[in-house]
Amino acid sequence: GAVVSQHPSWVICKSGTSVKIECRSLDFQATTMFWYRQFPKQSLMLMATSNEGSKATYEQGVEKDKFLINHASLTLSTLTVTSAHPEDSSFYICSATYPGGGKPKVESSYEQYFGPGTRLTVT
Amino acid sequence: AQSVAQPEDQVNVAEGNPLTVKCTYSVSGNPYLFWYVQYPNRGLQFLLKYITGDNLVKGSYGFEAEFNKSQTSFHLKKPSALVSDSALYFCAVNYGNMLTFGGGTRLMVKP
Repeated sequence: GAVVSQHPSWVICKSGTSVKIECRSLDFQATTMFWYRQFPKQSLMLMATSNEGSKATYEQGVEKDKFLINHASLTLSTLTVTSAHPEDSSFYICSATYPGGGKPKVESSYEQYFGPGTRLTVT
Repeated sequence: AQSVAQPEDQVNVAEGNPLTVKCTYSVSGNPYLFWYVQYPNRGLQFLLKYITGDNLVKGSYGFEAEFNKSQTSFHLKKPSALVSDSALYFCAVNYGNMLTFGGGTRLMVKP
Protein backbone atom coordinates (compact mmCIF):
# COMPACT_ATOMS: atom_id res chain seq x y z
CA GLY A 1 0.00 0.00 0.00
CA ALA A 2 0.83 3.74 -0.06
CA VAL A 3 2.26 3.81 -3.56
CA VAL A 4 3.00 7.11 -5.29
CA SER A 5 3.72 7.32 -8.98
CA GLN A 6 5.16 10.09 -11.11
CA HIS A 7 4.89 10.65 -14.81
CA PRO A 8 6.99 11.05 -16.81
CA SER A 9 10.07 9.47 -15.27
CA TRP A 10 12.26 11.60 -17.46
CA VAL A 11 11.70 14.41 -19.94
CA ILE A 12 13.83 16.49 -22.23
CA CYS A 13 12.44 19.79 -23.44
CA LYS A 14 13.63 22.86 -25.24
CA SER A 15 14.25 26.13 -23.50
CA GLY A 16 11.12 28.27 -23.38
CA THR A 17 8.63 25.43 -23.40
CA SER A 18 6.49 24.21 -20.51
CA VAL A 19 6.55 20.78 -18.93
CA LYS A 20 3.93 19.13 -16.77
CA ILE A 21 4.80 16.47 -14.19
CA GLU A 22 2.09 14.35 -12.60
CA CYS A 23 2.12 12.88 -9.13
CA ARG A 24 -0.50 10.29 -8.22
CA SER A 25 -1.28 8.39 -5.05
CA LEU A 26 -2.37 5.00 -6.36
CA ASP A 27 -3.99 3.33 -3.39
CA PHE A 28 -4.80 6.06 -0.92
CA GLN A 29 -6.23 9.53 -0.80
CA ALA A 30 -3.64 12.18 -0.16
CA THR A 31 -4.94 15.47 1.12
CA THR A 32 -1.43 16.85 1.07
CA MET A 33 1.29 16.40 -1.50
CA PHE A 34 4.75 17.87 -1.52
CA TRP A 35 7.09 18.79 -4.35
CA TYR A 36 10.84 18.61 -3.92
CA ARG A 37 13.77 19.47 -6.11
CA GLN A 38 17.08 17.71 -5.91
CA PHE A 39 20.29 18.83 -7.57
CA PRO A 40 23.05 16.30 -8.22
CA LYS A 41 24.67 15.02 -5.07
CA GLN A 42 22.53 17.27 -2.94
CA SER A 43 19.65 16.86 -0.55
CA LEU A 44 15.98 17.37 -1.28
CA MET A 45 14.73 20.92 -1.11
CA LEU A 46 11.04 21.44 -0.49
CA MET A 47 9.51 23.60 -3.20
CA ALA A 48 5.87 23.68 -2.19
CA THR A 49 3.12 22.02 -0.24
CA SER A 50 -0.02 21.20 -2.16
CA ASN A 51 -3.39 20.72 -0.49
CA GLU A 52 -6.33 19.37 -2.43
CA GLY A 53 -8.73 22.08 -3.47
CA SER A 54 -6.61 25.00 -2.34
CA LYS A 55 -3.65 27.00 -3.50
CA ALA A 56 -0.21 25.59 -2.96
CA THR A 57 2.09 27.03 -0.35
CA TYR A 58 5.48 27.82 -1.79
CA GLU A 59 8.76 27.89 0.05
CA GLN A 60 10.76 31.05 0.15
CA GLY A 61 12.66 31.63 -3.05
CA VAL A 62 10.46 29.42 -5.22
CA GLU A 63 8.78 31.30 -8.04
CA LYS A 64 5.11 30.44 -7.93
CA ASP A 65 4.51 31.77 -11.43
CA LYS A 66 7.21 29.55 -12.80
CA PHE A 67 6.36 26.39 -10.92
CA LEU A 68 2.60 26.01 -11.16
CA ILE A 69 1.10 23.44 -8.84
CA ASN A 70 -2.42 22.10 -9.12
CA HIS A 71 -3.91 19.61 -6.67
CA ALA A 72 -7.20 18.95 -8.39
CA SER A 73 -8.15 15.72 -6.67
CA LEU A 74 -7.23 13.62 -3.66
CA THR A 75 -5.02 11.44 -5.82
CA LEU A 76 -3.42 13.82 -8.28
CA SER A 77 -1.11 16.81 -8.07
CA THR A 78 0.67 18.36 -11.03
CA LEU A 79 3.74 20.52 -11.28
CA THR A 80 4.12 22.60 -14.43
CA VAL A 81 7.47 24.18 -15.11
CA THR A 82 6.65 27.14 -17.31
CA SER A 83 9.06 28.70 -19.79
CA ALA A 84 11.72 26.23 -18.78
CA HIS A 85 15.38 27.19 -18.87
CA PRO A 86 18.50 25.04 -18.56
CA GLU A 87 18.88 26.04 -14.90
CA ASP A 88 15.54 24.34 -14.23
CA SER A 89 17.11 21.02 -15.12
CA SER A 90 16.88 18.91 -12.01
CA PHE A 91 15.35 15.85 -10.39
CA TYR A 92 11.84 16.58 -9.19
CA ILE A 93 10.31 14.33 -6.55
CA CYS A 94 6.81 14.39 -5.15
CA SER A 95 5.49 12.84 -1.97
CA ALA A 96 2.12 12.36 -0.37
CA THR A 97 0.96 11.95 3.17
CA TYR A 98 -1.56 9.46 4.42
CA PRO A 99 -3.92 11.50 6.52
CA GLY A 100 -5.20 8.78 8.78
CA GLY A 101 -8.78 8.76 10.03
CA GLY A 102 -11.52 6.99 8.14
CA LYS A 103 -13.38 3.91 9.25
CA PRO A 104 -11.91 2.09 11.05
CA LYS A 105 -9.81 4.96 12.26
CA VAL A 106 -6.20 4.67 11.22
CA GLU A 107 -3.53 6.71 12.87
CA SER A 108 -1.47 8.83 10.58
CA SER A 109 1.94 7.32 10.16
CA TYR A 110 3.57 10.74 9.85
CA GLU A 111 5.29 9.34 6.82
CA GLN A 112 5.60 10.86 3.43
CA TYR A 113 5.40 8.37 0.59
CA PHE A 114 7.68 9.33 -2.25
CA GLY A 115 7.29 9.02 -5.96
CA PRO A 116 10.16 7.68 -8.07
CA GLY A 117 11.12 11.13 -9.31
CA THR A 118 11.20 12.88 -12.68
CA ARG A 119 14.46 13.85 -14.33
CA LEU A 120 13.97 17.10 -16.26
CA THR A 121 16.59 18.21 -18.76
CA VAL A 122 16.13 21.54 -20.50
CA THR A 123 18.24 22.05 -23.59
CA ALA B 1 12.77 25.81 13.32
CA GLN B 2 13.79 22.21 12.93
CA SER B 3 17.05 21.05 11.41
CA VAL B 4 18.88 17.84 10.69
CA ALA B 5 22.60 17.33 10.35
CA GLN B 6 24.42 14.43 8.78
CA PRO B 7 28.05 15.18 9.57
CA GLU B 8 29.57 12.73 7.11
CA ASP B 9 29.28 13.24 3.37
CA GLN B 10 30.49 9.70 2.80
CA VAL B 11 30.98 6.57 4.83
CA ASN B 12 33.17 3.75 3.59
CA VAL B 13 32.88 0.28 5.03
CA ALA B 14 33.97 -3.18 4.02
CA GLU B 15 31.34 -5.78 3.26
CA GLY B 16 30.48 -7.79 6.33
CA ASN B 17 31.53 -5.06 8.73
CA PRO B 18 29.06 -3.08 10.84
CA LEU B 19 28.07 0.33 9.56
CA THR B 20 26.86 3.52 11.20
CA VAL B 21 25.49 6.59 9.47
CA LYS B 22 25.18 9.51 11.83
CA CYS B 23 22.31 11.94 12.24
CA THR B 24 21.61 14.66 14.77
CA TYR B 25 18.53 16.80 14.92
CA SER B 26 17.15 19.94 16.43
CA VAL B 27 13.44 20.39 16.95
CA SER B 28 11.17 21.81 19.60
CA GLY B 29 8.87 19.23 21.07
CA ASN B 30 8.82 15.54 20.30
CA PRO B 31 10.64 14.59 17.14
CA TYR B 32 9.33 12.27 14.49
CA LEU B 33 12.46 10.93 12.84
CA PHE B 34 12.94 9.03 9.61
CA TRP B 35 15.61 7.38 7.53
CA TYR B 36 15.28 7.08 3.77
CA VAL B 37 17.55 5.52 1.17
CA GLN B 38 17.95 6.69 -2.41
CA TYR B 39 19.44 4.72 -5.26
CA PRO B 40 20.68 6.52 -8.40
CA ASN B 41 17.94 8.27 -10.34
CA ARG B 42 15.29 6.93 -8.00
CA GLY B 43 12.97 8.39 -5.43
CA LEU B 44 13.31 7.86 -1.73
CA GLN B 45 12.60 4.54 -0.07
CA PHE B 46 11.47 4.46 3.52
CA LEU B 47 13.74 2.53 5.89
CA LEU B 48 12.44 3.21 9.36
CA LYS B 49 10.95 5.77 11.68
CA TYR B 50 10.83 6.76 15.31
CA ILE B 51 7.60 8.22 16.60
CA THR B 52 7.47 7.02 20.17
CA GLY B 53 8.26 3.95 22.22
CA ASP B 54 11.45 1.91 22.17
CA ASN B 55 14.56 3.87 21.42
CA LEU B 56 15.86 1.10 19.16
CA VAL B 57 13.88 0.99 15.96
CA LYS B 58 14.18 -1.85 13.48
CA GLY B 59 13.47 -1.23 9.84
CA SER B 60 13.81 -2.62 6.36
CA TYR B 61 16.76 -4.59 4.95
CA GLY B 62 18.26 -5.26 8.37
CA PHE B 63 18.75 -1.62 9.27
CA GLU B 64 18.06 -0.22 12.70
CA ALA B 65 18.41 3.15 14.35
CA GLU B 66 18.79 4.28 17.92
CA PHE B 67 16.99 7.35 19.18
CA ASN B 68 19.01 9.17 21.81
CA LYS B 69 17.13 12.08 23.26
CA SER B 70 19.95 13.42 25.41
CA GLN B 71 22.33 13.52 22.46
CA THR B 72 19.57 14.48 19.98
CA SER B 73 20.81 11.76 17.68
CA PHE B 74 19.23 9.12 15.50
CA HIS B 75 22.10 7.12 14.04
CA LEU B 76 21.41 4.44 11.43
CA LYS B 77 23.12 1.11 11.92
CA LYS B 78 23.47 -2.31 10.39
CA PRO B 79 25.43 -5.20 11.89
CA SER B 80 26.80 -6.51 8.61
CA ALA B 81 27.01 -4.33 5.50
CA LEU B 82 26.28 -5.58 2.00
CA VAL B 83 27.64 -4.19 -1.25
CA SER B 84 24.03 -3.64 -2.27
CA ASP B 85 23.61 -1.24 0.66
CA SER B 86 25.72 1.28 -1.25
CA ALA B 87 23.42 4.26 -1.78
CA LEU B 88 22.57 7.73 -0.54
CA TYR B 89 20.97 7.88 2.89
CA PHE B 90 18.87 10.71 4.24
CA CYS B 91 17.81 11.41 7.78
CA ALA B 92 14.71 13.56 8.20
CA VAL B 93 12.57 15.07 10.92
CA ASN B 94 8.84 15.56 10.58
CA TYR B 95 7.48 18.60 12.33
CA GLY B 96 4.09 20.05 11.56
CA ASN B 97 3.60 17.51 8.78
CA MET B 98 6.67 18.79 6.96
CA LEU B 99 9.89 16.89 6.44
CA THR B 100 13.25 18.53 6.83
CA PHE B 101 16.10 16.50 5.39
CA GLY B 102 19.71 16.25 6.30
CA GLY B 103 22.28 16.75 3.59
CA GLY B 104 22.60 13.06 2.91
CA THR B 105 25.40 10.56 3.44
CA ARG B 106 26.76 8.41 0.68
CA LEU B 107 27.44 4.89 1.90
CA MET B 108 30.06 2.94 -0.02
CA VAL B 109 30.36 -0.73 0.83
CA LYS B 110 33.39 -2.35 -0.73
CA PRO B 111 33.67 -6.08 -1.33
